[in-house]
Amino acid sequence: GDSVTQMEGPVTLSEEAFLTINCTYTATGYPSLFWYVQYPGEGLQLLLKATKADDKGSNKGFEATYRKETTSFHLEKGSVQVSDSAVYFCALRPNTNAGKSTFGDGTTLTVKP
Amino acid sequence: SAVISQKPSRDICQRGTSLTIQCQVDSQVTMMFWYRQQPGQSLTLIATANQGSEATYESGFVIDKFPISRPNLTFSTLTVSNMSPEDSSIYLCSVVPTGGYETQYFGPGTRLLVL
Repeated sequence: GDSVTQMEGPVTLSEEAFLTINCTYTATGYPSLFWYVQYPGEGLQLLLKATKADDKGSNKGFEATYRKETTSFHLEKGSVQVSDSAVYFCALRPNTNAGKSTFGDGTTLTVKP
Repeated sequence: SAVISQKPSRDICQRGTSLTIQCQVDSQVTMMFWYRQQPGQSLTLIATANQGSEATYESGFVIDKFPISRPNLTFSTLTVSNMSPEDSSIYLCSVVPTGGYETQYFGPGTRLLVL
């Protein structure tokens, strides 16, 4: 079946540091890929997505590129802020009406001033 | 996109009791799901809520413990029955909007603590 493997956390960075959270996947066909963010005490928010190979999703300074050849969708941000402290989930969803999403285990990011 | 609300946002319950969680969406959606997120864990799919018919449950989840209703295309309920402390979790409603089958959106969650 489908699977998503995320970089293990927790990750602790200083403000303005560069962020990379690795995500690799296995899936049949060509799924869509997502990053969700969960701030403390809240639900999951869609951060960015990419629906086909070589697409780059971006939002709020975060970016991720759909790499079919390496089956990866790594999340990056050039300069993190304290407000980026949250749990980040990588996910894939098959491009069918009946498809179910598969989520990674989540990576906790803490940004210190 | 879709705007999803859940009620209650949090609750503290006694073991042996039941709690019904409501999920309301601001537009008609194709698919509605219920997830559980145990403390510090990822998401586990409980079931797909089907409009006008019985929900489709994932392995390890049964209708007697988690009855689900979906009377229309914008509303669903999840009941956690005969609760025990192991049911303490965040319960999340999630939807896939009609015509946008690739993107899934989540509600704010219901935080349940069972004593």
